Amino acid sequence: DTAVSQTPKYLVTQMGNDKSIKCEQNLGHDTMYWYKQDSKKFLKIMFSYNNKELIINETVPNRFSPKSPDKAHLNLHINSLELGDSAVYFCASSHPRGGKETQYFGPGTRLLVL
Amino acid sequence: GDSVTQMEGPVTLSEEAFLTINCTYTATGYPSLFWYVQYPGEGLQLLLKATKADDKGSNKGFEATYRKETTSFHLEKGSVQVSDSAVYFCALEKGGATNKLIFGTGTLLAVQP
Repeated sequence: DTAVSQTPKYLVTQMGNDKSIKCEQNLGHDTMYWYKQDSKKFLKIMFSYNNKELIINETVPNRFSPKSPDKAHLNLHINSLELGDSAVYFCASSHPRGGKETQYFGPGTRLLVL
Repeated sequence: GDSVTQMEGPVTLSEEAFLTINCTYTATGYPSLFWYVQYPGEGLQLLLKATKADDKGSNKGFEATYRKETTSFHLEKGSVQVSDSAVYFCALEKGGATNKLIFGTGTLLAVQP
């Protein structure tokens, strides 16, 4: 069984469009994250949610809006896509915050904005 | 601020060679340290971790020791295989209210037969 899953795996779209990426975890974790990996493979945190509450927002443009309908899901909606948004987006989850527990990553969503 | 510095790649080795990928960190407090691996076209997998000074993490023949005195967490393997070819990321996490991973830039390892 997949622990952290993301859909879609690949997303190709035009500049200016709005798109969503979905993430689900079946590990029973309370905390979920979105990371962005750029073309040079550099990984950086974007958001984290703990039990549906926003904990981290790392100065990401407000075109990016995470939504957590329940603690097993953290979706990422992106408005007015720009060329620079092309990247791989990883979802992750871990046990309750403060525990420095291992984060488990999804397979990634490869977004290409044309 | 907190940061992780890794040796730049690519690192190219022959099969059965000894591997070292250097990682040093800057952080206040007592972070946990991790190595993640990303195989081509795949997501990140935890390779090993250490949560306090002098801890040694190990998995699949890889090892790393948390050295607080040198703020390092170097990854080693005695005999690499072609299947070890991947990008390796060193990362730290401090816990607390912002439980985020801070990654190094990644090191590409290419193992040739």
